[in-house]
Amino acid sequence: AQSVTQLDSHVSVSEGTPVLLRCNYSSSYSPSLFWYVQHPNKGLQLLLKYTSAATLVKGINGFEAEFKKSETSFHLTKPSAHMSDAAEYFCVVSGGSYIPTFGRGTSLIVHP
Amino acid sequence: NAGVMQNPRHLVRRRGQEARLRCSPMKGHSHVYWYRQLPEEGLKFMVYLQKENIIDESGMPKERFSAEFPKEGPSILRIQQVVRGDSAAYFCASSPVYMQGPSNEQFFGPGTRLTVL
Repeated sequence: AQSVTQLDSHVSVSEGTPVLLRCNYSSSYSPSLFWYVQHPNKGLQLLLKYTSAATLVKGINGFEAEFKKSETSFHLTKPSAHMSDAAEYFCVVSGGSYIPTFGRGTSLIVHP
Repeated sequence: NAGVMQNPRHLVRRRGQEARLRCSPMKGHSHVYWYRQLPEEGLKFMVYLQKENIIDESGMPKERFSAEFPKEGPSILRIQQVVRGDSAAYFCASSPVYMQGPSNEQFFGPGTRLTVL
């Protein structure tokens, strides 16, 4: 069994300040973990993925995430938010099942 | 290399009509997944198909919904006798291999937004 919890439904930051989007997971198997971004009325785009290699994963557009097994977390961060980062972000876990489980999403709001 | 293509992008149907959603996977991809997204929710898995085979349809409603991925042509998600509750965004994703472990991610299409009047 697997599940994923995105701890915040909305996160609001000012442009130029750090971003933290939180994700906790559970999986009976060694998981693969993903972050996807969805801009309004668009499909999902992969930001980064963890697949049992380095625990600190770097993605596109300056995002990175750290896999912490002891905390069962995979939080997404970015040092400095940009207006174009405003979107919906989904944390996804894929363990022994080929069916990935999506979190409910976190809406990132960036203020000028 | 074109990405995953879905059409139509927007579909409006009246209650009781049929909706047909099409998905063309990325070139070289033989695995297709369909998801449904309700407002302010994550994606919910519906069905996983390979060419001419339904591998897992555990997320699909037992009635009115069906999916196929023929040897030639796109994958089709078909909803018969639509009701207002079917209004949602339907996303298709494709992958080149069985997605498990240190794996390939799924590549998503832009979605079809179905509105049932």
